[in-house]
Amino acid sequence: RKEVEQDPGPFNVPEGATVAFNCTYSNSASQSFFWYRQDCRKEPKLLMSVYSSGNEDGRFTAQLNRASQYISLLIRDSKLSDSATYLCVTLTDSWGKLQFGAGTQVVVTP
Amino acid sequence: GAVVSQHPSWVICKSGTSVKIECRSLDFQATTMFWYRQFPKQSLMLMATSNEGSKATYEQGVEKDKFLINHASLTLSTLTVTSAHPEDSSFYICSARVLAGESTGELFFGEGSRLTVL
Repeated sequence: RKEVEQDPGPFNVPEGATVAFNCTYSNSASQSFFWYRQDCRKEPKLLMSVYSSGNEDGRFTAQLNRASQYISLLIRDSKLSDSATYLCVTLTDSWGKLQFGAGTQVVVTP
Repeated sequence: GAVVSQHPSWVICKSGTSVKIECRSLDFQATTMFWYRQFPKQSLMLMATSNEGSKATYEQGVEKDKFLINHASLTLSTLTVTSAHPEDSSFYICSARVLAGESTGELFFGEGSRLTVL
């Protein structure tokens, strides 16, 4: 079983709409959680950290449910530039070994 | 923010040859760098943790004699794919963090190196 699982999508979203997707993780010892964004054939870039109480960064809202071991990302008022693959990432130790999900592809259409 | 540079971006080589990929931290010293591999539509898989001045730590299933890692300075780590074969064709990405042991998730990634072995 993969340590971090995501729905690969694609999620086809009309411009201006809201899209949300989850990620589940199997390691209950996971300490920190993040969403990274990866554009096609590019390196991943940190989108936002996910805090226990949930957090928002502009149009992006992240939630963490430790009991059920999943995190979520919600994108409001989708822009064409939001089209990308969103990687769910967990950190289980302080030395930087991240576990990546395979990513959820989001395609925002005009 | 911190910048990590990776070179080359693209490389095509013949089967059986060796390819070296460089990863440099441009404006900070990185005692630890990570090497990932990503196949199409799959997640980044950690291959090894590169430690400056000591041997790299390889993940299970990664052949250390095939993927040679050298981290000779605080700003440079290299990955050499020895005797490359077509199944080694992949996207190789390095990453680094500013402080060893820092408990944050922001790794700075290199631009990645796309290897195609013919």
